Parts: sequence; C-alpha cells; structure tokens
Amino acid sequence: GAGVSQTPSNKVTEKGKYVELRCDPISGHTALYWYRQSLGQGPEFLIYFQGTGAADDSGLPNDRFFAVRPEGSVSTLKIQRTERGDSAVYLCASSLLWPNTEAFFGQGTRLTVV
Amino acid sequence: AQKVTQAQTEISVVEKEDVTLDCVYETRDTTYYLFWYKQPPSGELVFLIRRNSFDEQNEISGRYSWNFQKSTSSFNFTITASQVVDSAVYFCALSAALGGSEKLVFGKGMKLTVNP
Repeated sequence: GAGVSQTPSNKVTEKGKYVELRCDPISGHTALYWYRQSLGQGPEFLIYFQGTGAADDSGLPNDRFFAVRPEGSVSTLKIQRTERGDSAVYLCASSLLWPNTEAFFGQGTRLTVV
Repeated sequence: AQKVTQAQTEISVVEKEDVTLDCVYETRDTTYYLFWYKQPPSGELVFLIRRNSFDEQNEISGRYSWNFQKSTSSFNFTITASQVVDSAVYFCALSAALGGSEKLVFGKGMKLTVNP
C-alpha cells in the first residue's frame, strides 16, 4: 500500500522479554518518527530520524528503548526487558520536508506486556 | 518547554449541531506550527490542518473551520453541522519550526461523539 505500514498490529509479550516493532514509511519520505500513545492520552514523541541518523532521541524513556533505521527507509523500535508500563500503542509517522508538509501516521502497534 | 492543553476531554452532540474544540498552547518559540489531527476508532491519525505562527488568518474547509488567536495562544476548531462520521478523538499539536527536531507535542485529545 501507499501508506505507513506498521507490523505487527498487535503484540503480546511477557514481562522481561525483548520486542521489535517495525515501521515501513511511505516511499521517499526522509523523516521518520516514533511516538507512544497510552490509553486516553495524546501521542508522546520518542525519536526522530532524518535519513539514517537519529536527529532527536530525547523522547526515549530509558536505555531499554532503542531504534534504528539502517538504510534510511524501514525503522525498527527495539525494547529490551519489557515492563508492564511499556504497554501502549506505538505509532510511526513519516514525512517529506517537514514541516512544509504533514506527517502521515501508521495505524500503530498495540503492545501489551503481561 | 512546549505544552498543548485541550481542556475538554469528551463532548457528545446530536447530528447537525455545531461543535467547537478548544486548544490552548504554550511555547517560547517565536516561529512554530499548530496542527489538528483526527483519530477515528481505527487508530490512524489523520492530518486536518497545519498553521504557521505568522499566519493568523482563519481558515475554512467545508464544514471545518479554525480560529487561530495568537493573543490568547489558542487554536480552536469548529465543526459545523456535525455528522456521525465526525465521531473520533481530535488532537491539537504544536511543533517548533526551527532549531532541530520537528517533533509534535500533542494535547491529550478530545473525544467527540456525534449521535444520530
């Protein structure tokens, strides 16, 4: 499809396990963002990539969270030693020349840590 | 620090009513962007509008209109003659235009329910 694709759509994992969440941005979009949305809240910024490099990772809550975008396209958000508090919807967005155009969001990955 | 406040958490109206969603923001930046996004039950955030801090003209797009008032740091959104399909969570957001990350700072959202 032409939109931002996130996989899996749902992920249930046990506390302490490692998870990877994938984001396929719109082809040609150089900017990519990860956000986390807890129930009843607005999305909170995690990290922003411009090309392959993380231009701003100030939103990552701690060192258990890490994200990569090795070829400037697909990105993976990695969470180590998951905790129940990590349960949320993880949203990915991509854009062209931000902020001269809008960011397009994927449908998110719902992560549940049990 | 940047902050977006959506004081209303939930509104319920009957179809064809007009409804206004309030948004108040805080920023020290002189240049910034304001946004509204719609999040239907499917979960995907849908872009509605982006406004530059230097452009205080109100905007109308079909049944949607936006009132940007820099003097009160507000960017309110009005839906005229609401329809059931307008039912969703609406988010106001703010972004710095210069100086690094173009991350969005979102409000907590306002759930709109339009009843037939």
